[in-house]
Amino acid sequence: GAVVSQHPSRVICKSGTSVKIECRSLDFQATTMFWYRQFPKQSLMLMATSNEGSKATYEQGVEKDKFLINHASLTLSTLTVTSAHPEDSSFYICSARAAGRYNTEAFFGQGTRLTVV
Amino acid sequence: AQSVTQLDSQVPVFEEAPVELRCNYSSSVSVYLFWYVQYPNQGLQLLLKYLSGSTLVKGINGFEAEFNKSQTSFHLRKPSVHISDTAEYFCAVSAQGAQKLVFGQGTRLTINP
Repeated sequence: GAVVSQHPSRVICKSGTSVKIECRSLDFQATTMFWYRQFPKQSLMLMATSNEGSKATYEQGVEKDKFLINHASLTLSTLTVTSAHPEDSSFYICSARAAGRYNTEAFFGQGTRLTVV
Repeated sequence: AQSVTQLDSQVPVFEEAPVELRCNYSSSVSVYLFWYVQYPNQGLQLLLKYLSGSTLVKGINGFEAEFNKSQTSFHLRKPSVHISDTAEYFCAVSAQGAQKLVFGQGTRLTINP
C-alpha cells in the first residue's frame, strides 16, 4: 500500500515561534493533500486541502495566515504554524490522495503532536 | 454535503466477544464509505472501504462491514475481539468523485480481559 510519512512526530516550541510540519508521499504522487487537526478525544477537523502547485483551500474558520500550507511538489506538502500560541497545541495529521489506482482512498501520516509552551 | 454519525462514543466489550460499531451517514449523492482505526498518538489506518458491488466488505484484522443503502448505514463488526483491537475507530464518507472525507465523531473501543 501507499505510505505517507509525516515529520516530526512530536515537537515542543516556545510561544511566538513558528513550526513546520512535513508530509511526504513515499511511493506515489500525491495530487491532493489534506491537513487535519485533532483535539483530544475528538474527531478530525479538516483544515485545508492543497493541490500541487496551487494555493491551498482553507476550511471556514481556519486562519490561512496562521497555518501556511505549501504543496510545492507531488510528494511533499508542508504546514507551518506561524507565531504559535498554546491554543495551537494539538495533534496535526496529513493525508494524501493520488490519481490512478489509489484515487479512491486517502492515506494518512502518523501525525504530529505540537505542544506550545 | 455529507455527514456521518457514529452512534456510540464508547464501546466496552470483553475479549473474544463480538462487537458492532455503528455508523450512519447522510448524503444526497452516491458515496464511498470507509472505516479507519487510530491507535494512540498515531495517524489513521484504513480497515476497509465500500466503493461499489457487494454490500458486505471484508477488511484487515478480521473486521467486516455491511453497506445498507436503505438504512444509510455502514456498521463495522468483528466476531471475536482481541486486546489489541483497543483503539479509536472512525467512520468516514466521501461523495463519489469528490476529494474530501467527512469523518464521524469516533468510537472508542475498549477490550476488557
